Amino acid sequence: DIVMTQSPDSLAVSLGERAAINCKSSQSLLDNSNNKDCLAWYQQKPGQPPRLLIYWASTRESGVPDRFSGSGSGTDFTLTISSLQAEDVAVYYCQHHYNSLPTFGQGTKVEIK
Amino acid sequence: QVHLVESGGGMVQPGRSLRISCAASGFTFNTYGMHWVRQSPGKGLEWVAVISSDGTYSNFADSVKGRFTISRDNSKDTVFLQMNSLRPDDTAVYFCAKPILLEPVFDLWGRGTLVTVSS
Repeated sequence: DIVMTQSPDSLAVSLGERAAINCKSSQSLLDNSNNKDCLAWYQQKPGQPPRLLIYWASTRESGVPDRFSGSGSGTDFTLTISSLQAEDVAVYYCQHHYNSLPTFGQGTKVEIK
Repeated sequence: QVHLVESGGGMVQPGRSLRISCAASGFTFNTYGMHWVRQSPGKGLEWVAVISSDGTYSNFADSVKGRFTISRDNSKDTVFLQMNSLRPDDTAVYFCAKPILLEPVFDLWGRGTLVTVSS
């Protein structure tokens, strides 16, 4: 199985400041058939199901604010929130979609400093 | 409106069985594979199972393989997860999830149903 490891486990950022979450996979997530990396990001608020933010490492889901962006390739990826808003307080998960056995990172909790 | 609504969760003793359901609406159910993902209390997300759009293919996480089965009724837009030989570490909120593509990227989730395995 592909192991997904996020860092940090938690971070506190001031309103309006940048937040960055890292995700590392145990093997390359590059799909050679389309030259895209199979990495998704989700946001989960308390008592709610996860919400898809990003897939193919950098494709933003419809309706997701453009302050959310995904970057990276191969085994190292980053979710960036360019200007943190109060409603962005949540746990964020990365997930690979490289094969039929998807796995998630352990989650990163984002709070307001 | 597109919706997934899970039901059937509850408390069950170790070693017993439980079947949970997920009813879909608002999209062409029989064209999508469907997945189950679970989340233990206060913990992260774990993918559990997938069933193909026509029900002929399924796959499971190693942690549930041989104990859980997945099925669907396309005439009722519903997917099921049959859980046998339940263990305390199966305690979790079980979400059903719709993939955005043929790949497991989940753009629609239900609110989940809580399964508690305890004596």
